[in-house]
Amino acid sequence: RKEVEQDPGPFNVPEGATVAFNCTYSNSASQSFFWYRQDCRKEPKLLMSVYSSGNEDGRFTAQLNRASQYISLLIRDSKLSDSATYLCVAFQGYSSASKIIFGSGTRLSIRP
Amino acid sequence: SQTIHQWPATLVQPVGSPLSLECTVEGTSNPNLYWYRQAAGRGLQLLFYSVGIGQISSEVPQNLSASRPQDRQFILSSKKLLLSDSGFYLCAWRGYMDRGGFGAFFGQGTRLTVV
Repeated sequence: RKEVEQDPGPFNVPEGATVAFNCTYSNSASQSFFWYRQDCRKEPKLLMSVYSSGNEDGRFTAQLNRASQYISLLIRDSKLSDSATYLCVAFQGYSSASKIIFGSGTRLSIRP
Repeated sequence: SQTIHQWPATLVQPVGSPLSLECTVEGTSNPNLYWYRQAAGRGLQLLFYSVGIGQISSEVPQNLSASRPQDRQFILSSKKLLLSDSGFYLCAWRGYMDRGGFGAFFGQGTRLTVV
Protein backbone atom coordinates (compact mmCIF):
# COMPACT_ATOMS: atom_id res chain seq x y z
CA ARG A 1 0.00 0.00 0.00
CA LYS A 2 1.32 3.44 -0.89
CA GLU A 3 1.97 5.76 2.03
CA VAL A 4 0.14 8.63 0.35
CA GLU A 5 -2.66 7.79 -2.06
CA GLN A 6 -4.54 10.00 -4.48
CA ASP A 7 -7.10 9.52 -7.21
CA PRO A 8 -4.97 9.87 -10.36
CA GLY A 9 -7.81 11.42 -12.37
CA PRO A 10 -7.81 12.99 -14.83
CA PHE A 11 -10.46 15.43 -13.75
CA ASN A 12 -11.84 17.32 -16.73
CA VAL A 13 -14.10 20.17 -15.64
CA PRO A 14 -15.43 23.36 -17.23
CA GLU A 15 -14.07 26.75 -16.33
CA GLY A 16 -15.82 28.15 -13.28
CA ALA A 17 -16.56 24.76 -11.76
CA THR A 18 -15.67 23.69 -8.25
CA VAL A 19 -13.43 20.67 -8.01
CA ALA A 20 -12.33 18.63 -4.99
CA PHE A 21 -9.33 16.35 -4.61
CA ASN A 22 -8.87 13.78 -1.90
CA CYS A 23 -5.82 12.15 -0.45
CA THR A 24 -5.26 9.54 2.26
CA TYR A 25 -2.11 8.70 4.17
CA SER A 26 -1.31 5.48 5.96
CA ASN A 27 1.61 6.38 8.21
CA SER A 28 0.44 7.88 11.50
CA ALA A 29 3.93 9.35 11.94
CA SER A 30 3.05 11.87 9.26
CA GLN A 31 3.05 15.28 10.90
CA SER A 32 2.75 17.99 8.30
CA PHE A 33 0.81 18.04 5.07
CA PHE A 34 0.89 20.10 1.93
CA TRP A 35 -0.53 20.41 -1.54
CA TYR A 36 1.83 20.98 -4.43
CA ARG A 37 1.16 21.85 -8.01
CA GLN A 38 3.21 20.46 -10.88
CA ASP A 39 2.97 21.75 -14.41
CA CYS A 40 4.00 19.54 -17.32
CA ARG A 41 7.75 18.88 -17.34
CA LYS A 42 8.34 21.28 -14.46
CA GLU A 43 9.33 20.88 -10.84
CA PRO A 44 6.59 20.73 -8.17
CA LYS A 45 5.79 24.01 -6.46
CA LEU A 46 4.27 24.50 -3.04
CA LEU A 47 0.62 25.46 -3.29
CA MET A 48 -0.43 25.52 0.35
CA SER A 49 -0.06 23.95 3.75
CA VAL A 50 -2.85 21.84 5.23
CA TYR A 51 -4.06 22.24 8.82
CA SER A 52 -6.72 20.53 10.90
CA SER A 53 -8.40 23.88 11.26
CA GLY A 54 -8.48 24.29 7.52
CA ASN A 55 -6.48 26.64 5.36
CA GLU A 56 -7.90 28.98 2.76
CA ASP A 57 -5.95 30.92 0.14
CA GLY A 58 -8.18 32.72 -2.32
CA ARG A 59 -10.05 30.13 -4.35
CA PHE A 60 -8.20 27.24 -2.69
CA THR A 61 -9.20 25.54 0.55
CA ALA A 62 -7.30 22.67 2.15
CA GLN A 63 -8.42 20.51 5.04
CA LEU A 64 -6.87 17.82 7.20
CA ASN A 65 -8.74 15.15 9.14
CA ARG A 66 -6.21 13.36 11.34
CA ALA A 67 -8.73 10.86 12.70
CA SER A 68 -9.51 9.64 9.20
CA GLN A 69 -5.99 10.30 7.87
CA TYR A 70 -7.57 12.23 5.05
CA ILE A 71 -6.59 15.43 3.27
CA SER A 72 -8.60 17.45 0.81
CA LEU A 73 -8.18 20.34 -1.60
CA LEU A 74 -11.07 22.37 -2.93
CA ILE A 75 -10.71 24.71 -5.89
CA ARG A 76 -13.57 27.14 -6.47
CA ASP A 77 -14.31 29.09 -9.63
CA SER A 78 -11.65 27.14 -11.52
CA LYS A 79 -9.56 28.91 -14.13
CA LEU A 80 -7.87 27.58 -17.25
CA SER A 81 -4.56 28.27 -15.52
CA ASP A 82 -5.46 25.78 -12.77
CA SER A 83 -4.81 22.92 -15.20
CA ALA A 84 -1.94 20.95 -13.68
CA THR A 85 -1.18 17.91 -11.58
CA TYR A 86 -1.86 18.35 -7.87
CA LEU A 87 0.32 16.44 -5.46
CA CYS A 88 -0.54 15.56 -1.89
CA VAL A 89 2.52 15.55 0.37
CA ALA A 90 3.24 14.25 3.87
CA PHE A 91 6.23 15.11 6.04
CA GLN A 92 6.97 12.16 8.31
CA GLY A 93 8.73 12.21 11.64
CA TYR A 94 8.93 14.61 14.55
CA SER A 95 12.51 15.71 14.25
CA SER A 96 14.37 17.47 11.50
CA ALA A 97 15.11 14.06 10.02
CA SER A 98 11.83 13.75 8.27
CA LYS A 99 11.06 11.99 5.04
CA ILE A 100 8.87 13.78 2.56
CA ILE A 101 6.45 11.48 0.78
CA PHE A 102 4.52 12.49 -2.31
CA GLY A 103 1.32 11.05 -3.65
CA SER A 104 1.32 10.14 -7.30
CA GLY A 105 -0.75 13.20 -8.16
CA THR A 106 -4.17 14.04 -9.54
CA ARG A 107 -4.34 15.51 -13.02
CA LEU A 108 -6.75 18.40 -13.52
CA SER A 109 -7.75 19.77 -16.88
CA ILE A 110 -9.96 22.86 -17.09
CA ARG A 111 -11.83 23.30 -20.36
CA PRO A 112 -13.16 26.64 -21.67
CA SER B 1 16.88 34.62 0.05
CA GLN B 2 17.10 30.89 -0.43
CA THR B 3 17.75 29.34 -3.81
CA ILE B 4 18.41 25.83 -5.00
CA HIS B 5 20.47 25.06 -8.06
CA GLN B 6 20.46 21.82 -9.95
CA TRP B 7 22.34 20.95 -13.12
CA PRO B 8 22.43 19.99 -15.86
CA ALA B 9 18.84 20.56 -16.98
CA THR B 10 18.99 17.85 -19.63
CA LEU B 11 21.30 14.90 -20.04
CA VAL B 12 21.56 12.06 -22.52
CA GLN B 13 23.88 9.27 -21.47
CA PRO B 14 24.67 5.82 -22.93
CA VAL B 15 23.96 2.67 -20.99
CA GLY B 16 26.89 1.74 -18.80
CA SER B 17 28.23 5.28 -18.47
CA PRO B 18 28.67 7.01 -15.10
CA LEU B 19 26.41 9.74 -13.77
CA SER B 20 26.91 12.70 -11.49
CA LEU B 21 24.15 15.20 -10.77
CA GLU B 22 24.82 18.09 -8.46
CA CYS B 23 22.52 20.16 -6.31
CA THR B 24 23.46 23.16 -4.21
CA VAL B 25 21.42 25.32 -1.87
CA GLU B 26 22.13 28.94 -1.03
CA GLY B 27 20.80 31.17 1.69
CA THR B 28 20.34 28.54 4.38
CA SER B 29 22.53 26.35 6.58
CA ASN B 30 22.29 22.67 7.49
CA PRO B 31 19.28 22.03 5.27
CA ASN B 32 17.59 18.66 4.91
CA LEU B 33 18.19 17.65 1.31
CA TYR B 34 16.35 15.14 -0.86
CA TRP B 35 16.71 13.41 -4.23
CA TYR B 36 13.61 12.26 -6.07
CA ARG B 37 13.05 10.55 -9.37
CA GLN B 38 9.94 10.89 -11.48
CA ALA B 39 9.39 8.45 -14.32
CA ALA B 40 7.29 9.67 -17.24
CA GLY B 41 3.67 10.08 -16.18
CA ARG B 42 4.38 8.84 -12.68
CA GLY B 43 4.72 10.24 -9.17
CA LEU B 44 7.84 11.29 -7.28
CA GLN B 45 9.87 8.47 -5.79
CA LEU B 46 12.09 9.39 -2.85
CA LEU B 47 15.60 8.08 -3.53
CA PHE B 48 17.81 9.57 -0.81
CA TYR B 49 17.65 12.14 1.92
CA SER B 50 20.30 13.76 4.06
CA VAL B 51 20.14 15.65 7.34
CA GLY B 52 23.80 16.65 7.39
CA ILE B 53 27.27 16.32 5.91
CA GLY B 54 28.08 12.68 5.23
CA GLN B 55 24.66 11.50 6.42
CA ILE B 56 22.70 9.72 3.72
CA SER B 57 19.53 7.66 4.04
CA SER B 58 18.62 5.46 1.12
CA GLU B 59 15.01 4.69 0.44
CA VAL B 60 15.14 2.35 -2.51
CA PRO B 61 17.88 -0.19 -3.33
CA GLN B 62 19.04 0.59 -6.81
CA ASN B 63 21.83 1.50 -9.13
CA LEU B 64 22.33 4.93 -7.60
CA SER B 65 24.22 6.46 -4.68
CA ALA B 66 24.26 9.86 -3.03
CA SER B 67 26.84 11.89 -1.19
CA ARG B 68 26.88 15.10 0.77
CA PRO B 69 30.45 16.38 0.82
CA GLN B 70 29.49 19.88 1.98
CA ASP B 71 26.65 21.32 4.00
CA ARG B 72 24.80 22.72 1.03
CA GLN B 73 25.83 20.25 -1.66
CA PHE B 74 24.08 17.01 -2.53
CA ILE B 75 25.30 14.74 -5.29
CA LEU B 76 23.57 11.84 -7.01
CA SER B 77 25.80 9.31 -8.74
CA SER B 78 25.88 6.08 -10.61
CA LYS B 79 28.84 4.01 -11.74
CA LYS B 80 26.96 2.37 -14.63
CA LEU B 81 23.64 3.67 -15.89
CA LEU B 82 20.78 1.37 -16.87
CA LEU B 83 17.97 2.13 -19.28
CA SER B 84 15.60 2.10 -16.31
CA ASP B 85 17.49 5.02 -14.76
CA SER B 86 15.88 7.39 -17.26
CA GLY B 87 13.62 9.94 -15.64
CA PHE B 88 13.25 13.39 -14.18
CA TYR B 89 15.56 13.83 -11.19
CA LEU B 90 14.63 16.45 -8.65
CA CYS B 91 16.59 17.82 -5.72
CA ALA B 92 14.75 19.49 -2.86
CA TRP B 93 15.50 21.16 0.45
CA ARG B 94 13.20 21.40 3.42
CA GLY B 95 12.84 24.51 5.50
CA TYR B 96 11.49 28.01 5.69
CA MET B 97 11.68 30.14 2.64
CA ASP B 98 11.61 33.92 2.94
CA ARG B 99 8.80 33.95 0.43
CA GLY B 100 6.69 30.85 0.54
CA GLY B 101 6.52 29.66 4.09
CA PHE B 102 7.55 26.23 5.28
CA GLY B 103 7.79 23.24 3.01
CA ALA B 104 9.97 21.45 0.50
CA PHE B 105 11.40 23.50 -2.33
CA PHE B 106 12.70 22.04 -5.55
CA GLY B 107 15.40 22.70 -8.06
CA GLN B 108 14.42 22.81 -11.69
CA GLY B 109 15.27 19.17 -12.21
CA THR B 110 17.45 17.15 -14.56
CA ARG B 111 15.80 15.22 -17.33
CA LEU B 112 17.98 12.13 -17.87
CA THR B 113 17.62 9.89 -20.89
CA VAL B 114 19.69 6.74 -20.96
CA VAL B 115 20.17 5.40 -24.48
